[in-house]
Amino acid sequence: DTGVSQDPRHKITKRGQNVTFRCDPISEHNRLYWYRQTLGQGPEFLTYFQNEAQLEKSRLLSDRFSAERPKGSFSTLEIQRTEQGDSAMYLCASSLDGAADTQYFGPGTRLTVL
Amino acid sequence: AQSVSQHNHHVILSEAASLELGCNYSYGGTVNLFWYVQYPGQHLQLLLKYFSGDPLVKGIKGFEAEFIKSKFSFNLRKPSVQWSDTAEYFCAVISYYGNNRLAFGKGNQVVVIP
Repeated sequence: DTGVSQDPRHKITKRGQNVTFRCDPISEHNRLYWYRQTLGQGPEFLTYFQNEAQLEKSRLLSDRFSAERPKGSFSTLEIQRTEQGDSAMYLCASSLDGAADTQYFGPGTRLTVL
Repeated sequence: AQSVSQHNHHVILSEAASLELGCNYSYGGTVNLFWYVQYPGQHLQLLLKYFSGDPLVKGIKGFEAEFIKSKFSFNLRKPSVQWSDTAEYFCAVISYYGNNRLAFGKGNQVVVIP
């Protein structure tokens, strides 16, 4: 399967712990996006990369969140000092290049903070 | 920033019934429009998209959507649903010239009874 992959698929952690998620985009895609989805809501934009550059961040992305895409390929999303309100599905998507290109989504990482 | 409204969040219907899901967005500029579907246990998949041209677009599995610019709407339709259409459906919009974030509606949970 050459789609977007995410790891892990599920993560359970205790409040205050740090967690890191990984996303591998479709290989020729230059843009990579992170979204968060909570129950009963559609995905909400967090941030996006054009190659290795992080070009836009949502206000939802507090100082405890950091994302990287060091070589313009895979990306990581780290949440420090997790809170119960961080419990959600974290989705990664990738697209070719333009802002309007179709975004293809991965299966997501479901985070549960106890 | 653009926003998307989807009504009738829970829809229950019998096989062979017709389905129509409404989507309205608020943004005054040029937009690209999408419908994504999430089948139980699966990730978000593209159902269809509108970029330009014929406002009536056809997608996979017999779905179609009509873009009505004057009404800021992009409603999804299927003449005759099947049990396998049970899924959550999300409408999404992205500004063609502006920011690079997909804005999603809250989704429609559709259950088709055999």
